Amino acid sequence: KAGVTQTPRYLIKTRGQQVTLSCSPISGHRSVSWYQQTPGQGLQFLFEYFSETQRNKGNFPGRFSGRQFSNSRSEMNVSTLELGDSALYLCASSLGVLTGREGEQFFGPGTRLTVL
Amino acid sequence: DQQVKQNSPSLSVQEGRISILNCDYTNSMFDYFLWYKKYPAEGPTFLISISSIKDKNEDGRFTVFLNKSAKHLSLHIVPSQPGDSAVYFCAAKQGGGADGLTFGKGTHLIIQP
Repeated sequence: KAGVTQTPRYLIKTRGQQVTLSCSPISGHRSVSWYQQTPGQGLQFLFEYFSETQRNKGNFPGRFSGRQFSNSRSEMNVSTLELGDSALYLCASSLGVLTGREGEQFFGPGTRLTVL
Repeated sequence: DQQVKQNSPSLSVQEGRISILNCDYTNSMFDYFLWYKKYPAEGPTFLISISSIKDKNEDGRFTVFLNKSAKHLSLHIVPSQPGDSAVYFCAAKQGGGADGLTFGKGTHLIIQP
C-alpha cells in the first residue's frame, strides 16, 4: 500500500498570506488528522476529519481550518499567516473506527512551512 | 499544561544494551498509549501501543510497560541497535476514535557503537 502523501513538501510564505496544504491518506483509511510540530511546543493536534466531517478540534485559532473530500483526501488552510505559524505540518491517516488499535495513525512526511 | 511529559530530552545507550525511555501523563482519562519513532525529515512511525486494560505489550525487541497508578509508561528496547537512534515520542488518547493524539516532546535516543 502507498503511504500517506503530503504536498507540497516545502513552502515559503509571507505574513498575512494564506496557505493550503494537501494530504492523501492510505487507501481505505477514512480518518485524517493534522498536527503542527514546532521546536518549542512539540507535536500538537489541530483537527481530525472522518467521512468529510470534522470530528474533533485542538486548541488552535479559527485561522486554521480544514476539509475532507469524498475520497478521504484532506486539505488544511491557514489564513492571515503569522511568523509563529512556521512549523512542520503533519498529516496522519487511520481507519477511524474502533478496531482494538485505536490511535494507531500513519504519518506522512510533513510540509515544512516557513513564514517570512 | 503538558498532559504527556517526557522528561529526558536525550538518552545515550551503548549498542547491545537496554534502552529505557520514560513517559508520564496527568490525564486519568487517557486509555490508549502509543510510542512513535521519528527520523529527521520524516513523519513519525508507529512502533508499539498499549491499552489501559493491560500493563505490558511486547513486539520483538520492543516492550511497553504501563503503570496506571503511577500514570507512567516506559519503552524498553533490547538489544539496542544503531538504527534505533532517533527521536521517540510518547502519545496518548482517550475515548473512542474521535480524539487526536496528545504527544510528549520526545526523547532523542543515541545508540553508541
